[in-house]
Amino acid sequence: EPEVTQTPSHQVTQMGQEVILRCVPISNHLYFYWYRQILGQKVEFLVSFYNNEISEKSEIFDDQFSVERPDGSNFTLKIRSTKLEDSAMYFCASSDGRATGELFFGEGSRLTVL
Amino acid sequence: GQNIDQPTEMTATEGAIVQINCTYQTSGFNGLFWYQQHAGEAPTFLSYNVLDGLEEKGRFSSFLSRSKGYSYLLLKELQMKDSASYLCAVKDSNYQLIWGAGTKLIIKP
Repeated sequence: EPEVTQTPSHQVTQMGQEVILRCVPISNHLYFYWYRQILGQKVEFLVSFYNNEISEKSEIFDDQFSVERPDGSNFTLKIRSTKLEDSAMYFCASSDGRATGELFFGEGSRLTVL
Repeated sequence: GQNIDQPTEMTATEGAIVQINCTYQTSGFNGLFWYQQHAGEAPTFLSYNVLDGLEEKGRFSSFLSRSKGYSYLLLKELQMKDSASYLCAVKDSNYQLIWGAGTKLIIKP
């Protein structure tokens, strides 16, 4: 069964360092997303991406965040200068874009900022 | 503002039935999803409702009333592996998913 894959599964970094989280969405999907979930809290939308550009972004997705689809398979989230409050689980998701289409989530990347 | 409300936590007994409610107030409606999330894992899709009524899928059923802004997830013949958080999410007029905080379901033997 096709799945969304994410790397790394866990990253520990120092405050102020840059972090890149990687995702390989399901191959025939057209819409890609990043969500985050702080421990014990709700899933929060960060950004959606379609046709090689950002289609929506939340207030959380400020200038410290960027996304890129560098090739035909990878979808990355970069945090330029991490803060303590960026510590969370980051989920990548993809969908086929139908209105009824559910999101398929990757297993997540746990980011710990020290 | 947009809001989705679910109970924070529920407890049920193995073999029993439990109903998890969700009420929503969103700018537009393009469907309601239920996801299951085990601790430390990604959400996995359970069900989708866009029309009023009951959708049944094995032990799980989901109900929607658009006029009341209300849905519930019904889990039958509960198993210990059903212990998880259950997330209600609504697609708004921009087709963005608005998430509830989730209901943590604890199953006791």
